[in-house]
Amino acid sequence: AQSVSQHNHHVILSEAASLELGCNYSYGGTVNLFWYVQYPGQHLQLLLKYFSGDPLVKGIKGFEAEFIKSKFSFNLRKPSVQWSDTAEYFCAVNAPYGGATNKLIFGTGTLLAVQP
Amino acid sequence: EAQVTQNPRYLITVTGKKLTVTCSQNMNHEYMSWYRQDPGLGLRQIYYSMNVEVTDKGDVPEGYKVSRKEKRNFPLILESPSPNQTSLYFCASSSTPRGEQYFGPGTRLTVT
Repeated sequence: AQSVSQHNHHVILSEAASLELGCNYSYGGTVNLFWYVQYPGQHLQLLLKYFSGDPLVKGIKGFEAEFIKSKFSFNLRKPSVQWSDTAEYFCAVNAPYGGATNKLIFGTGTLLAVQP
Repeated sequence: EAQVTQNPRYLITVTGKKLTVTCSQNMNHEYMSWYRQDPGLGLRQIYYSMNVEVTDKGDVPEGYKVSRKEKRNFPLILESPSPNQTSLYFCASSSTPRGEQYFGPGTRLTVT
């Protein structure tokens, strides 16, 4: 079965540090890839997405992600984090899953704490 | 404003007392899903719907029911809630099967 792995469960950074969160998925075919962010007490919001084309995608709030097909990876990056980036980050993959057409599989999330 | 709404936002109930969590979207999306979020497990899909009267099980459907009688609404029904259904529930919708999903604000359910 398809799966999504986020290797960093809890990350603590100081403001202005660079961020990279890892995401790997197991499906070998065509995928749509997403990063969602959940700020404390809020619902999930889309940070960025990749469907096709340039493997380096830019999202909101200075985030970007790179799709590396050969590594089945879609890592999230930000050059300089801010205290307001404190949140939980979820990688998600949408791929065919049995007979389903709308299967969005989430990783377990990475909790990012940015210290001022 | 395009949005997905859920009600109630918070609910504390007792084991066995039937409850319904409503979900409504105003974007004319065909695809809707329910997820539960538990610490360390991320979000897991409970049920999804591809259109009116078309629903199917997700990864964790046991103990839940859904219905899709209207395009905009996708209620989640717990016929006999149990403490292991204590969780944070999100409804989501999308316009295409593999596109971006828009999430509701969440419903925090506690079953005692």
